[in-house]
Formats: sequence, C-alpha cells, structure tokens
Amino acid sequence: SQKIEQNSEALNIQEGKTATLTCNYTNYSPAYLQWYRQDPGRGPVFLLLIRENEKEKRKERLKVTFDTTLKQSLFHITASQPADSATYLCALGGTGGSYIPTFGRGTSLIVHP
Amino acid sequence: DTGVSQDPRHKITKRGQNVTFRCDPISEHNRLYWYRQTLGQGPEFLTYFQNEAQLEKSRLLSDRFSAERPKGSFSTLEIQRTEQGDSAMYLCASFAAGATEAFFGQGTRLTVV
Repeated sequence: SQKIEQNSEALNIQEGKTATLTCNYTNYSPAYLQWYRQDPGRGPVFLLLIRENEKEKRKERLKVTFDTTLKQSLFHITASQPADSATYLCALGGTGGSYIPTFGRGTSLIVHP
Repeated sequence: DTGVSQDPRHKITKRGQNVTFRCDPISEHNRLYWYRQTLGQGPEFLTYFQNEAQLEKSRLLSDRFSAERPKGSFSTLEIQRTEQGDSAMYLCASFAAGATEAFFGQGTRLTVV
C-alpha cells in the first residue's frame, strides 16, 4: 500500500541549531515533492518544491533534498529560531500524472530559546 | 485580502443536521480542492474541481458529502446528516493553471455534538 511517513514525535531543538525533518514514502513515484508549514488552527503554507530530477533546493535558511532511490526527502532549517516552531508537512505530487497532492501527517518542530 | 477565503471559520452542529461550507479561491485559479484534516494527521483529499467540473472524488467521500463549483469560482461543500466522525478541519486549496503550489484557506473547523 502507499505510505508517506513523517516522524510523529515532535522534534525539539535549541535555537541556532539546524533542524532536520524526514519524509519517507513507499509505492509512490512522485514527479515532485513539496514541503508546507502549518501553524495551529491555520491552513498549510507552501515553502519549497523539489522535482524528481533535482537533488537539492535551497531558499534562504531552508534546504530540501530528494533521493528517489531511497524514496526520501530531508528538510533542513539552519540557524533555527523559535518562530520556526510549527508542523511541517511533506506532500507528494504528480504520481501517475495525478494533480492531487498527497500529504504526510507532518512533524511538529519546537525550537527552544 | 487576495488569498483563499473560507466561511465560516468555525461551525458547531448537532448530529443529524446538514452543514454547508463555502470556499472562495484566488480569482484566477482554475483548480480548487477540498481536504479534511483531523488532529495529528495531514490533510486528506476529498475532491477537486477544474473550473466548474468536478474531476475526482476520494473513495472515502461518502454519499452524505457533496461539493459544487457552479460557475467555476467559489465552491461549496455540504455534509448531510452529520455524524460525530465528521468533526474535523475542512480545508480548501486553489491552484493556478499548470501550477503545483497549493494556496490554502484558513479552514472551517467543524464540531459535531
């Protein structure tokens, strides 16, 4: 069966450190993978997209890697700040030409001052 | 505000009642999606429209759920004979033509008592 796995346990880190979140998937062949941020009681907000033929993407303090052999994406936030505390969702898209992004359950990040 | 707008933000209803939610997407976006999200889970796809055509519905969507997008602009999602298991956040997202980035609304929090 198809699965998107994100760590259900919250990730606690100290301010200034690099946070690394993982998204693993099985039985998908996504054309792209996205990361979204979600704050409590609000809708997700798009952060980054990486396509299947790309290994790495950066945007300011964010970095995403995509390994289609391992079926894994890593999402890094460098120099983390308490304001980065939120839930981060990965979403797979373009599987079989589908226009329906499929989301993981998200991982909660808590950055301590 | 030119973002995706959802109304109401919160709805409390008694079991067995019908409810209707509205989503106003970003004006030039032709694709509109409905997702449902429960606590600790990622958004779960319900249905999507391209312009006024409903192109796909999740098999998880029971026949108590119906969605419309009559003129290819706003959309409504109706739940008939609500059950306690329908309690969730209902999210609407819109996409520009050919784009992969989802713009989400703030969601409608439904509580069935």
